[in-house]
Amino acid sequence: DAKTTQPPSMDCAEGRAANLPCNHSTISGNEYVYWYRQIHSQGPQYIIHGLKNNETNEMASLIITEDRKSSTLILPHATLRDTAVYYCIVRVSSSARQLTFGSGTQLTVLP
Amino acid sequence: AAGVIQSPRHLIKEKRETATLKCYPIPRHDTVYWYQQGPGQDPQFLISFYEKMQSDKGSIPDRFSAQQFSDYHSELNMSSLELGDSALYFCASRETGLSYEQYFGPGTRLTVT
Repeated sequence: DAKTTQPPSMDCAEGRAANLPCNHSTISGNEYVYWYRQIHSQGPQYIIHGLKNNETNEMASLIITEDRKSSTLILPHATLRDTAVYYCIVRVSSSARQLTFGSGTQLTVLP
Repeated sequence: AAGVIQSPRHLIKEKRETATLKCYPIPRHDTVYWYQQGPGQDPQFLISFYEKMQSDKGSIPDRFSAQQFSDYHSELNMSSLELGDSALYFCASRETGLSYEQYFGPGTRLTVT
């Protein structure tokens, strides 16, 4: 799996968009970008994944640059319950292998 | 929707004792993963099973063993417990061929005193 780099922490005001960046400059052509989050002491939760096109679901949007070397997870209207550690993971989509968690970004949503 | 079930949710053991953690995957999920998360650390992969066979192995101590049963539930057996084994243990499951994401359980918090 390709290595990723994320800022260790970010703050966001409640109701505003949270934009979480991830660098993955060594990503291979068949590797996807996955995002998981972990609310304090709970099990990690899948958010979204994408290959090269932007993706959106009920939780978030994923913007991947054209060269695929970086991406941004967008939470459009952050709430206090979105406070969590967000992990960007790059891997082959069909892989049945384990997830490799890096350091992630601690997002704190402020009231 | 059904989720991954882990039991017990909390467990307190003394050094050198044994512990057994159980994981019940989401129905129809055939792959189970175990992760360990120490205090202030990120989850680390221990071991995984696919169709009751061990499929991958991470940094799992020799004192730990695991298996997946015919009903797809899995058990993580931990012997000669050490203080450093105190952690959150997560189980995740996945349905091969249909879903690419892993679904995590709520975890078991093991405290070794």
